[in-house]
Amino acid sequence: DMKVTQMPRYLIKRMGENVLLECGQDMSHETMYWYRQDPGLGLQLIYISYDVDSNSEGDIPKGYRVSRKKREHFSLILDSAKTNQTSVYFCASSEGQGSYEQYFGPGTRLTVL
Amino acid sequence: QQQVRQSPQSLTVWEGETAILNCSYEDSTFNYFPWYQQFPGEGPALLISIRSVSDKKEDGRFTIFFNKREKKLSLHITDSQPGDSATYFCAASYSNYQLIWGSGTKLIIKP
Repeated sequence: DMKVTQMPRYLIKRMGENVLLECGQDMSHETMYWYRQDPGLGLQLIYISYDVDSNSEGDIPKGYRVSRKKREHFSLILDSAKTNQTSVYFCASSEGQGSYEQYFGPGTRLTVL
Repeated sequence: QQQVRQSPQSLTVWEGETAILNCSYEDSTFNYFPWYQQFPGEGPALLISIRSVSDKKEDGRFTIFFNKREKKLSLHITDSQPGDSATYFCAASYSNYQLIWGSGTKLIIKP
């Protein structure tokens, strides 16, 4: 069963608090991604992970960091969250980059007050 | 710099009509073009894709038309159904490069 899970689905935090978003996949995919989605902007890549402890910045990494200690698990951390980080965050996984299909999780809606 | 552009931002068509969603790109090295479909409250899911060696790809009611010379492609949805109402993303890539995403077209099918 090919599945990407995200926890939590909804989260409300105050400005300055730390945020941890978690993602899991059961397909043994090497590559995992974190995106944020804002109205009218489509999907913006935050970080990409090629495997355990092999992570690269995407297009908008500022204010975020990631951790991947197991192939099936990829975390997004916001240290001292800001109100402009209010967004919907999606995790995805794929066998590789380029023409490999990306499988997305259901998203986490984060509100920073 | 937006390398993949989609138009229109939103589109409303009547049930049974053909919806046409447009996409253009700038980098001529792109050779893989997937379209993803996203329903409200869900993540995107791959709908159909095409490689630059082809000029057309069909899957049921969904067809991609690709014009390499003009660096344009379009997604045609024939006999549109209310269940097709969703946001559609065009993306592009080459080799092992990351996918570059368009900003999406929100499609509404009126019954």
